[in-house]
Amino acid sequence: GDSVTQMEGPVTLSEEAFLTINCTYTATGYPSLFWYVQYPGEGLQLLLKATKADDKGSNKGFEATYRKETTSFHLEKGSVQVSDSAVYFCALTLTGTASKLTFGTGTRLQVTL
Amino acid sequence: GAVVSQHPSWVICKSGTSVKIECRSLDFQATTMFWYRQFPKQSLMLMATSNEGSKATYEQGVEKDKFLINHASLTLSTLTVTSAHPEDSSFYICSAPEQGSGNTIYFGEGSWLTVV
Repeated sequence: GDSVTQMEGPVTLSEEAFLTINCTYTATGYPSLFWYVQYPGEGLQLLLKATKADDKGSNKGFEATYRKETTSFHLEKGSVQVSDSAVYFCALTLTGTASKLTFGTGTRLQVTL
Repeated sequence: GAVVSQHPSWVICKSGTSVKIECRSLDFQATTMFWYRQFPKQSLMLMATSNEGSKATYEQGVEKDKFLINHASLTLSTLTVTSAHPEDSSFYICSAPEQGSGNTIYFGEGSWLTVV
């Protein structure tokens, strides 16, 4: 079946460090890929998305590129801030599945001063 | 601000009792809502699709008689965990797509259930 695998956390970084959170997927068909973020006490929010191969999603300094050849959608940010501390979820949905998302396990990011 | 609100955020209940979790869309009508569950160190797993005015659609392996879903209005879906057991302790979260906005999916804050 369809699945998403992302690196286990927690990831602890100093402010201004470079961030990479790995995400790979397996899917039948052609998925759309997403990164969601959950700040403490809040619901999941869409961070960025890509709907086809080689698309790059970006938002708030984060970016991820849909790599079909490696079935990956790694999340990156050049310089993290304390306010980026949250749980990040990689997810996919298939065309025609009416917003049903398949999630990874989530990766907790802790950014310190 | 939040457009999907979930309540309660935290709940502790005794084994054998039932607990209800509400999911409300605040700024839009949602004919469909989704309920997910996450066990520690595991993925968010889709439990069921809640359909306004009709029966919910459950994913394979989810007991429909244990996890009762009611979607009686266009802004409210409820998940009731019946005869709860400690193994039902989990994080439950709902989502709702907003039609007409590119189907943007909004999530609630999630509910932590602990059964003692």
